[in-house]
Amino acid sequence: DADVTQTPRNRITKTGKRIMLECSQTKGHDRMYWYRQDPGLGLRLIYYSFDVKDINKGEISDGYSVSRQAQAKFSLSLESAIPNQTALYFCATSVAGGDYNEQFFGPGTRLTVL
Amino acid sequence: SQQGEEDPQALSIQEGENATMNCSYKTSINNLQWYRQNSGRGLVHLILIRSNEREKHSGRLRVTLDTSKKSSSLLITASRAADTASYFCATDGTGTASKLTFGTGTRLQVTL
Repeated sequence: DADVTQTPRNRITKTGKRIMLECSQTKGHDRMYWYRQDPGLGLRLIYYSFDVKDINKGEISDGYSVSRQAQAKFSLSLESAIPNQTALYFCATSVAGGDYNEQFFGPGTRLTVL
Repeated sequence: SQQGEEDPQALSIQEGENATMNCSYKTSINNLQWYRQNSGRGLVHLILIRSNEREKHSGRLRVTLDTSKKSSSLLITASRAADTASYFCATDGTGTASKLTFGTGTRLQVTL
Protein backbone atom coordinates (compact mmCIF):
# COMPACT_ATOMS: atom_id res chain seq x y z
CA ASP A 1 0.00 0.00 0.00
CA ALA A 2 1.11 3.54 -0.72
CA ASP A 3 2.54 5.45 2.24
CA VAL A 4 0.87 8.74 1.27
CA THR A 5 -2.56 8.57 -0.30
CA GLN A 6 -4.78 11.27 -1.70
CA THR A 7 -8.48 11.24 -2.47
CA PRO A 8 -9.99 11.88 -4.87
CA ARG A 9 -7.45 11.38 -7.65
CA ASN A 10 -9.47 13.40 -10.13
CA ARG A 11 -12.26 15.89 -9.57
CA ILE A 12 -14.23 18.14 -11.85
CA THR A 13 -16.35 20.77 -10.18
CA LYS A 14 -18.10 24.04 -10.90
CA THR A 15 -17.26 27.57 -9.87
CA GLY A 16 -18.53 28.36 -6.38
CA LYS A 17 -18.62 24.80 -5.09
CA ARG A 18 -16.87 23.76 -1.89
CA ILE A 19 -14.27 21.06 -2.42
CA MET A 20 -12.26 19.00 0.04
CA LEU A 21 -9.13 17.10 -0.87
CA GLU A 22 -7.93 14.52 1.61
CA CYS A 23 -4.50 13.18 2.43
CA SER A 24 -3.60 10.24 4.63
CA GLN A 25 -0.20 8.85 5.52
CA THR A 26 1.08 5.71 7.19
CA LYS A 27 4.69 6.89 7.51
CA GLY A 28 4.23 8.20 11.05
CA HIS A 29 5.58 11.61 10.03
CA ASP A 30 4.66 14.68 12.02
CA ARG A 31 5.01 17.16 9.16
CA MET A 32 2.54 17.43 6.30
CA TYR A 33 2.29 19.83 3.38
CA TRP A 34 -0.08 20.82 0.58
CA TYR A 35 1.28 22.04 -2.76
CA ARG A 36 -0.24 22.97 -6.06
CA GLN A 37 1.49 22.48 -9.38
CA ASP A 38 0.77 24.52 -12.47
CA PRO A 39 2.49 24.02 -15.83
CA GLY A 40 5.78 25.90 -15.94
CA LEU A 41 5.56 27.06 -12.32
CA GLY A 42 6.84 24.10 -10.38
CA LEU A 43 5.32 23.40 -6.97
CA ARG A 44 4.06 26.13 -4.69
CA LEU A 45 3.35 25.63 -1.01
CA ILE A 46 -0.24 26.28 0.08
CA TYR A 47 -0.25 25.25 3.76
CA TYR A 48 1.88 23.15 6.05
CA SER A 49 1.55 21.58 9.46
CA PHE A 50 4.37 20.47 11.74
CA ASP A 51 2.10 18.66 14.17
CA VAL A 52 -1.60 18.21 14.92
CA LYS A 53 -1.97 21.58 16.61
CA ASP A 54 0.18 23.51 14.16
CA ILE A 55 -1.12 25.09 10.93
CA ASN A 56 0.87 27.55 8.84
CA LYS A 57 0.20 29.46 5.65
CA GLY A 58 2.45 28.90 2.71
CA GLU A 59 3.19 30.98 -0.34
CA ILE A 60 -0.32 30.88 -1.84
CA SER A 61 -2.90 30.26 0.91
CA ASP A 62 -5.60 32.69 -0.24
CA GLY A 63 -8.78 30.82 -1.21
CA TYR A 64 -7.73 27.66 0.67
CA SER A 65 -8.10 26.31 4.19
CA VAL A 66 -6.79 23.16 5.86
CA SER A 67 -7.57 20.88 8.74
CA ARG A 68 -5.17 18.53 10.52
CA GLN A 69 -7.58 15.99 11.95
CA ALA A 70 -4.89 13.63 13.24
CA GLN A 71 -1.20 13.00 12.79
CA ALA A 72 -2.03 10.90 9.76
CA LYS A 73 -4.63 13.13 8.10
CA PHE A 74 -4.40 16.56 6.52
CA SER A 75 -7.21 17.90 4.35
CA LEU A 76 -7.31 20.87 2.02
CA SER A 77 -10.52 22.77 1.31
CA LEU A 78 -11.47 25.20 -1.37
CA GLU A 79 -14.38 27.10 0.15
CA SER A 80 -15.65 28.51 -3.14
CA ALA A 81 -13.75 27.09 -6.08
CA ILE A 82 -12.75 29.32 -8.98
CA PRO A 83 -11.33 28.36 -12.39
CA ASN A 84 -7.80 29.56 -11.63
CA GLN A 85 -7.64 26.93 -8.89
CA THR A 86 -7.56 24.30 -11.63
CA ALA A 87 -4.26 22.53 -10.97
CA LEU A 88 -2.57 19.38 -9.77
CA TYR A 89 -2.52 19.21 -5.96
CA PHE A 90 0.03 17.24 -3.96
CA CYS A 91 0.24 16.28 -0.33
CA ALA A 92 3.64 15.52 1.16
CA THR A 93 5.08 14.44 4.49
CA SER A 94 8.44 14.62 6.22
CA VAL A 95 9.99 13.72 9.54
CA ALA A 96 10.35 16.36 12.21
CA GLY A 97 13.65 18.00 13.04
CA GLY A 98 17.14 17.40 11.77
CA ASP A 99 18.63 18.75 8.58
CA TYR A 100 17.53 15.88 6.36
CA ASN A 101 13.99 16.89 5.50
CA GLU A 102 13.27 14.71 2.50
CA GLN A 103 9.62 14.93 1.58
CA PHE A 104 7.43 12.03 0.52
CA PHE A 105 4.68 12.84 -1.95
CA GLY A 106 1.25 11.44 -2.61
CA PRO A 107 0.12 10.62 -6.15
CA GLY A 108 -1.70 13.92 -6.60
CA THR A 109 -5.25 15.12 -7.21
CA ARG A 110 -6.10 16.65 -10.55
CA LEU A 111 -8.72 19.32 -9.93
CA THR A 112 -10.63 21.04 -12.69
CA VAL A 113 -12.90 23.98 -11.87
CA LEU A 114 -15.31 24.85 -14.65
CA SER B 1 8.84 34.07 -6.44
CA GLN B 2 10.47 30.71 -7.01
CA GLN B 3 13.71 30.15 -5.12
CA GLY B 4 15.17 27.72 -7.62
CA GLU B 5 15.41 28.15 -11.34
CA GLU B 6 16.38 25.21 -13.48
CA ASP B 7 18.24 25.28 -16.72
CA PRO B 8 17.52 24.09 -19.32
CA GLN B 9 13.73 23.98 -19.20
CA ALA B 10 13.77 20.99 -21.54
CA LEU B 11 16.48 18.57 -22.60
CA SER B 12 16.35 15.82 -25.21
CA ILE B 13 19.14 13.25 -25.45
CA GLN B 14 19.71 9.75 -26.72
CA GLU B 15 19.98 6.70 -24.53
CA GLY B 16 23.49 6.24 -23.25
CA GLU B 17 24.34 9.94 -23.22
CA ASN B 18 24.81 11.98 -20.07
CA ALA B 19 22.23 14.56 -18.98
CA THR B 20 23.16 17.65 -17.00
CA MET B 21 20.64 19.93 -15.34
CA ASN B 22 21.44 23.11 -13.46
CA CYS B 23 19.70 24.88 -10.62
CA SER B 24 20.28 28.39 -9.33
CA TYR B 25 18.88 29.80 -6.11
CA LYS B 26 18.80 33.13 -4.35
CA THR B 27 19.37 32.85 -0.60
CA SER B 28 21.36 30.86 1.94
CA ILE B 29 20.45 27.20 2.27
CA ASN B 30 20.75 24.32 4.72
CA ASN B 31 20.56 21.77 1.95
CA LEU B 32 19.48 21.34 -1.65
CA GLN B 33 17.50 18.36 -2.89
CA TRP B 34 16.66 16.93 -6.28
CA TYR B 35 13.36 15.27 -7.06
CA ARG B 36 12.03 13.41 -10.05
CA GLN B 37 8.47 13.47 -11.36
CA ASN B 38 7.08 11.09 -13.91
CA SER B 39 4.30 12.64 -15.96
CA GLY B 40 1.43 13.75 -13.74
CA ARG B 41 2.63 11.75 -10.74
CA GLY B 42 4.02 12.61 -7.33
CA LEU B 43 7.60 13.69 -6.85
CA VAL B 44 10.20 11.20 -5.71
CA HIS B 45 13.28 12.25 -3.75
CA LEU B 46 16.56 11.47 -5.52
CA ILE B 47 19.39 12.98 -3.54
CA LEU B 48 20.18 15.63 -0.93
CA ILE B 49 23.37 17.66 -0.64
CA ARG B 50 24.12 19.69 2.46
CA SER B 51 25.45 23.23 2.31
CA ASN B 52 28.89 22.11 3.54
CA GLU B 53 29.19 19.44 0.83
CA ARG B 54 30.48 20.07 -2.67
CA GLU B 55 29.71 16.81 -4.45
CA LYS B 56 27.63 13.73 -3.85
CA HIS B 57 27.03 10.51 -5.76
CA SER B 58 24.20 8.01 -5.79
CA GLY B 59 24.30 5.32 -8.45
CA ARG B 60 24.23 7.07 -11.82
CA LEU B 61 23.52 10.43 -10.19
CA ARG B 62 26.13 13.04 -9.38
CA VAL B 63 25.19 16.30 -7.69
CA THR B 64 27.45 19.28 -7.18
CA LEU B 65 26.85 22.36 -5.08
CA ASP B 66 28.60 25.71 -5.30
CA THR B 67 27.30 27.91 -2.49
CA SER B 68 29.42 30.86 -3.61
CA LYS B 69 27.57 30.87 -6.92
CA LYS B 70 24.31 29.67 -5.40
CA SER B 71 24.06 26.91 -7.93
CA SER B 72 23.82 23.14 -8.19
CA SER B 73 23.97 20.64 -11.00
CA LEU B 74 22.54 17.16 -11.42
CA LEU B 75 24.33 14.79 -13.76
CA ILE B 76 22.68 11.55 -14.87
CA THR B 77 25.21 9.30 -16.52
CA ALA B 78 24.47 6.66 -19.17
CA SER B 79 20.86 7.74 -19.43
CA ARG B 80 18.05 5.30 -20.11
CA ALA B 81 14.62 5.74 -21.63
CA ALA B 82 13.21 5.17 -18.14
CA ASP B 83 14.96 8.36 -16.98
CA THR B 84 12.46 10.37 -19.02
CA ALA B 85 10.79 12.63 -16.45
CA SER B 86 10.82 16.12 -15.01
CA TYR B 87 13.53 16.94 -12.49
CA PHE B 88 13.17 19.58 -9.79
CA CYS B 89 15.61 21.11 -7.40
CA ALA B 90 14.32 22.16 -3.99
CA THR B 91 16.08 24.30 -1.44
CA ASP B 92 15.77 24.20 2.32
CA GLY B 93 16.59 27.80 3.12
CA THR B 94 18.14 28.88 6.38
CA GLY B 95 15.53 30.36 8.69
CA THR B 96 12.64 28.87 6.73
CA ALA B 97 11.70 26.23 9.31
CA SER B 98 12.63 23.41 6.96
CA LYS B 99 10.16 24.36 4.25
CA LEU B 100 11.28 23.45 0.75
CA THR B 101 11.09 25.85 -2.17
CA PHE B 102 10.91 24.14 -5.53
CA GLY B 103 12.27 25.26 -8.84
CA THR B 104 10.39 25.20 -12.10
CA GLY B 105 11.91 21.94 -13.31
CA THR B 106 13.75 20.48 -16.30
CA ARG B 107 11.86 18.12 -18.61
CA LEU B 108 14.21 15.35 -19.72
CA GLN B 109 13.38 13.22 -22.74
CA VAL B 110 15.60 10.20 -23.38
CA THR B 111 15.07 8.57 -26.75
CA LEU B 112 16.15 5.15 -27.92
